[in-house]
Amino acid sequence: QQQVKQSPQSLIVQKGGISIINCAYENTAFDYFPWYQQFPGKGPALLIAIRPDVSEKKEGRFTISFNKSAKQFSLHIMDSQPGDSATYFCAASIRTSGSRLTFGEGTQLTVNP
Amino acid sequence: GAGVSQSPSNKVTEKGKDVELRCDPISGHTALYWYRQRLGQGLEFLIYFQGNSAPDKSGLPSDRFSAERTGESVSTLTIQRTQQEDSAVYLCASSSRRLAGQETQYFGPGTRLLVL
Repeated sequence: QQQVKQSPQSLIVQKGGISIINCAYENTAFDYFPWYQQFPGKGPALLIAIRPDVSEKKEGRFTISFNKSAKQFSLHIMDSQPGDSATYFCAASIRTSGSRLTFGEGTQLTVNP
Repeated sequence: GAGVSQSPSNKVTEKGKDVELRCDPISGHTALYWYRQRLGQGLEFLIYFQGNSAPDKSGLPSDRFSAERTGESVSTLTIQRTQQEDSAVYLCASSSRRLAGQETQYFGPGTRLLVL
């Protein structure tokens, strides 16, 4: 049973544009929502994370928006750069249950120069 | 400081053979996770170790898969009688759970397994 659904599968944006990736979850017990960035041949690296007690978190050009009632969260990349081209994964976990991560299927982002 | 390391980085094996994958977590990290990433897909949880507690094996896909960890050190993931569908990248992650809020999982580069 897929508990975290991610869209789109792939995304192409122009340099300077805004990249938006969306995720929806089913399990209301999830209480930690990280986004990971993965470059080819590398392991995923944490980009930004949010807990459900806030609706938005911003770190530099990266923002997570969180809608608890809709069970949705999204990643916004402002002023997208070619160096942002990577695969992005949303994930969710329950901190009291070991924080094992349930991942979305990933979005391959390409930022054209 | 050193991150999570995994070995080998690549492994090619024949169907039916056993393989062992190794993970060295970040020093001091009490929690260790194994995930599997099939080509073009997200990561699937396999197993979780936390200190000396019994591991959470709920993600292991079959009894051909097993993992061990001694204390808070190295872990090995063993796949017996490998099948072609076992071909994937196997990723290890560790985190420090000594303090509340320390959920960040740091991933290694993975072991790319190809079963012929």
